[in-house]
Amino acid sequence: KAGVTQTPRYLIKTRGQQVTLSCSPISGHRSVSWYQQTPGQGLQFLFEYFSETQRNKGNFPGRFSGRQFSNSRSEMNVSTLELGDSALYLCASSPYGLAGGAYNEQFFGPGTRLTVL
Amino acid sequence: LAKTTQPISMDSYEGQEVNITCSHNNIATNDYITWYQQFPSQGPRFIIQGYKTKVTNEVASLFIPADRKSSTLSLPRVSLSDTAVYYCLVGLSRYNNNDMRFGAGTRLTVKP
Repeated sequence: KAGVTQTPRYLIKTRGQQVTLSCSPISGHRSVSWYQQTPGQGLQFLFEYFSETQRNKGNFPGRFSGRQFSNSRSEMNVSTLELGDSALYLCASSPYGLAGGAYNEQFFGPGTRLTVL
Repeated sequence: LAKTTQPISMDSYEGQEVNITCSHNNIATNDYITWYQQFPSQGPRFIIQGYKTKVTNEVASLFIPADRKSSTLSLPRVSLSDTAVYYCLVGLSRYNNNDMRFGAGTRLTVKP
């Protein structure tokens, strides 16, 4: 099975712009979660989509949004970029979602490294 | 909110057992504890998950005491390829995943 893929792998934007990142989950997985990873704040949960519905949301401002399509592919959008948004953005897929209980292994993609200048 | 604390770094030698402890004093009743491994330029990889007592799989063991305020990831007989950053995650549950918290990560260096 192909793993989780993320595009693009690298991106450079300037302050004030917006950006859209894409994530294709493992075939058959209905849940996609997004995470931000920075040297200062570490790994932080953004949100989870399951069957096109946002099920969980971390503590991020409304500039961060996402959506999921019927084929489970997901996009994350960040509007009005700030310097502090420079980070590695990771997506992870799982068959049962974060609320899968005793076994909800997530499979992470390689990430998109966003640099905001 | 479950704040997770783990050592910043650890050193070990090939063939030794490594134990990495994560502290999570405010863990909620329904929260699971999950550990991930991350290599440079890669996303985290699931290692093991547990709720209480002891869980073992083919690569690691997870020890969780009765009060669940800490957990210990045990890696038996490490090799050079186990050099990576290990993250503890607390907060995955059947009911509310909005407040999950990763630890800052423990950088494990395995020496020959």
